[in-house]
Amino acid sequence: AQSVAQPEDQVNVAEGNPLTVKCTYSVSGNPYLFWYVQYPNRGLQFLLKYITGDNLVKGSYGFEAEFNKSQTSFHLKKPSALVSDSALYFCAVRPSTSGTYKYIFGTGTRLKVLA
Amino acid sequence: KAGVTQTPRYLIKTRGQQVTLSCSPISGHRSVSWYQQTPGQGLQFLFEYFSETQRNKGNFPGRFSGRQFSNSRSEMNVSTLELGDSALYLCASSQTTGPSGEQYFGPGTRLTVT
Repeated sequence: AQSVAQPEDQVNVAEGNPLTVKCTYSVSGNPYLFWYVQYPNRGLQFLLKYITGDNLVKGSYGFEAEFNKSQTSFHLKKPSALVSDSALYFCAVRPSTSGTYKYIFGTGTRLKVLA
Repeated sequence: KAGVTQTPRYLIKTRGQQVTLSCSPISGHRSVSWYQQTPGQGLQFLFEYFSETQRNKGNFPGRFSGRQFSNSRSEMNVSTLELGDSALYLCASSQTTGPSGEQYFGPGTRLTVT
């Protein structure tokens, strides 16, 4: 079965420190990979995506993600965390083969940046 | 451009009733998807519509249904509400027809079933 795993329910990091939110996936073929962020009482906001090409993808608000095909991972990173980055982060995968294009979301990781 | 809008934002219903939620996608977006978000189950895909046709469907009972109109606006309906249907229902629209397009989410409709 196709799946996305976010192994950490919560990540705590001090403001100014680098942050990593982990994501691994189990999807056949070469899927498209996404990160979304959700602030309280809001819908999800798109951060970045990997389609093809450079394994390091840059996105909104200074976030970037590293695609590793051999480890089937797509970890979200930021060099210097801000308190305002505190939110719920979702990794999502979409199969690239024709047919179903359903999003498969991870369970989410709550990021808490401490001042 | 205006973002994805969902109405109503909050709704309280009793068991057995039915409910209709509405979603207006970003102008020009023809794909609309619906998700159910709960603390225990996370984000669960309900269905996706493109050009008034249901293109994908998640694993939800037939009580959950949807439709899309010619102007791309979409509605979802839940009949015979159960307590477990209490959730945040999110609508998302996308400009591209293929799988590489990102989705733009509305703020959601918070449904409480009592």
